[in-house]
Amino acid sequence: GAGVSQSPSNKVTEKGKDVELRCDPISGHTALYWYRQSLGQGLEFLIYFQGNSAPDKSGLPSDRFSAERTGGSVSTLTIQRTQQEDSAVYLCASSLSGLPGRNIQYFGAGTRLSVL
Amino acid sequence: GDSVTQMEGPVTLSEEAFLTINCTYTATGYPSLFWYVQYPGEGLQLLLKATKADDKGSNKGFEATYRKETTSFHLEKGSVQVSDSAVYFCALSLRRGGSEKLVFGKGTKLTVNP
Repeated sequence: GAGVSQSPSNKVTEKGKDVELRCDPISGHTALYWYRQSLGQGLEFLIYFQGNSAPDKSGLPSDRFSAERTGGSVSTLTIQRTQQEDSAVYLCASSLSGLPGRNIQYFGAGTRLSVL
Repeated sequence: GDSVTQMEGPVTLSEEAFLTINCTYTATGYPSLFWYVQYPGEGLQLLLKATKADDKGSNKGFEATYRKETTSFHLEKGSVQVSDSAVYFCALSLRRGGSEKLVFGKGTKLTVNP
């Protein structure tokens, strides 16, 4: 597809369950990012992947959160033992590798996670 | 740490009014600056960007100038339309230690009435 694709678009789960969120970046983009958008915290960085380099996980809020990127393309964000405060819209973005500070990040439509 | 502060909304204007949304930043280094827009029910879209001092980004009638001396990147439009109703996010990007991420302001919701 032409843009960043995320699935599912909506996810409702019960507290304590694990969830997996998927992101398909734009073809050819080597950098992939996850962000979280919530009412209280605004837009927060979670994790950054660039090619085969070790990811920057500095934004992950707890060890219940993890992400992987297989084959340098598709990424999965996993939240274990979900809590109500995990309810948010999870956004994925991708960009071309290029000059530092000049990459444009293209965002998917997001996954709205509701933890009951 | 790096941060972005933008004027809190909501902002309500009549069609054809002048728009300014203020944005200032704090960063160690020389960031790139962006405005993203989120229309109702849609994802984030890049509106405009600037990568160095005195650069002016522009798109769809919107403009913003990178002012290093005042660490600002205010968004302006001379005549807003109903279709401009959306949430606007100011953001900066810096590369640190091989990693790069966007740091966003909290967003400003704009409503334009006919």
